[in-house]
Amino acid sequence: KQEVTQIPAALSVPEGENLVLNCSFTDSAIYNLQWFRQDPGKGLTSLLLIQSSQREQTSGRLNASLDKSSGRSTLYIAASQPGDSATYLCAVDTGGFKTIFGAGTRLFVKA
Amino acid sequence: NAGVTQTPKFRVLKTGQSMTLLCAQDMNHEYMYWYRQDPGMGLRLIHYSVGEGTTAKGEVPDGYNVSRLKKQNFLLGLESAAPSQTSVYFCASSLGLAGADTQYFGPGTRLTVL
Repeated sequence: KQEVTQIPAALSVPEGENLVLNCSFTDSAIYNLQWFRQDPGKGLTSLLLIQSSQREQTSGRLNASLDKSSGRSTLYIAASQPGDSATYLCAVDTGGFKTIFGAGTRLFVKA
Repeated sequence: NAGVTQTPKFRVLKTGQSMTLLCAQDMNHEYMYWYRQDPGMGLRLIHYSVGEGTTAKGEVPDGYNVSRLKKQNFLLGLESAAPSQTSVYFCASSLGLAGADTQYFGPGTRLTVL
């Protein structure tokens, strides 16, 4: 059974710091992996989607990598800002409408 | 273009009561989904639909029913609410198959069952 784990559960960093969020999954047979952002009381917003054949995706200050063989993905945020404070979730698609979500990492960027 | 909207935003029910959550999307998406999010857990898929008139069970379908009579709407029903159904419910839609295509999420409905 596919399991998705995100460590740490919470992270607090000073503004301007570069940071890495981690996501691990137990079964490497995935179609793709997606990173989402969730603001308090809001829905999820897709940040980056990495297909299984890809190694990374970039959008602005965000860079997501995927290593299927080791069951890991990282989300790199450069020059963090207070506006980046949110919960970040990763989700893996295993096919057959089975998208497995991690519990998320709650990020707080201090001004 | 409102994206994905959900009604209501909050609701409190007593055990045994019924209710319907409404999800609407204006992006002409074929696929729609209902998830629940519980503290410390990831989102879990309740039911989904691959097109108008179709529905299918997800990971945690027990105690819920759904209908997709119109392409733009996806309804989630609780026939006899239980405290275990206290959760935040999210609706999502996608143009293509989830995973191959980005899912767009609504703002959520916070449901409390007493």
